[in-house]
Amino acid sequence: NSKVIQTPRYLVKGQGQKAKMRCIPEKGHPVVFWYQQNKNNEFKFLINFQNQEVLQQIDMTEKRFSAECPSNSPCSLEIQSSEAGDSALYLCASSFRGAETLYFGSGTRLTVL
Amino acid sequence: AQSVTQPDARVTVSEGASLQLRCKYSYFGTPYLFWYVQYPRQGLQLLLKYYPGDPVVQGVNGFEAEFSKSNSSFHLRKASVHWSDWAVYFCAVSLYGSSGNKLIFGIGTLLSVKP
Repeated sequence: NSKVIQTPRYLVKGQGQKAKMRCIPEKGHPVVFWYQQNKNNEFKFLINFQNQEVLQQIDMTEKRFSAECPSNSPCSLEIQSSEAGDSALYLCASSFRGAETLYFGSGTRLTVL
Repeated sequence: AQSVTQPDARVTVSEGASLQLRCKYSYFGTPYLFWYVQYPRQGLQLLLKYYPGDPVVQGVNGFEAEFSKSNSSFHLRKASVHWSDWAVYFCAVSLYGSSGNKLIFGIGTLLSVKP
């Protein structure tokens, strides 16, 4: 069973508000991914880290989304100004190496009113 | 472009019956393939993974999958379905790039189990 911990489970924000969610990767896993899963079960890769360094992020992430994985602290994903289209399940995953085997948390379900 | 297709949005089987969920991939080279399951209001759990080698891989809870390069497929099977298998199943391929690796997912197949 995965030991990736995501908080909070549910997050409700108004449009324009900041939304922040956290992830504690599985112990010993240096690689962390964030995915967005929409209501149609489409997964969108947002960003990934190796240790504290960003490996890759999509354009959308660079504009309103920010993420970090500081040492000895939970990783976080923050949306600076939430939009209705951001409503989705945000999944954090970690792995020992690349994307060969990702272990997922239970997700944070964001609802933007 | 690399992609994963799950042609069946929903599959319904009777409890105790056998199951096959289909997955087709498009990938240049030899893929690493995965099946994940998502139970209601939960994240994804890994069922099984294929790394180049034996084409039939065993997973948890009696699931197995068979890789076919000629058919570009990685179908999931189970001999006898249990009501607790009711969930959404996702097939994924690992995409390697110069900036790290990531998974490409299909849109999932909802498995419903009839009593």
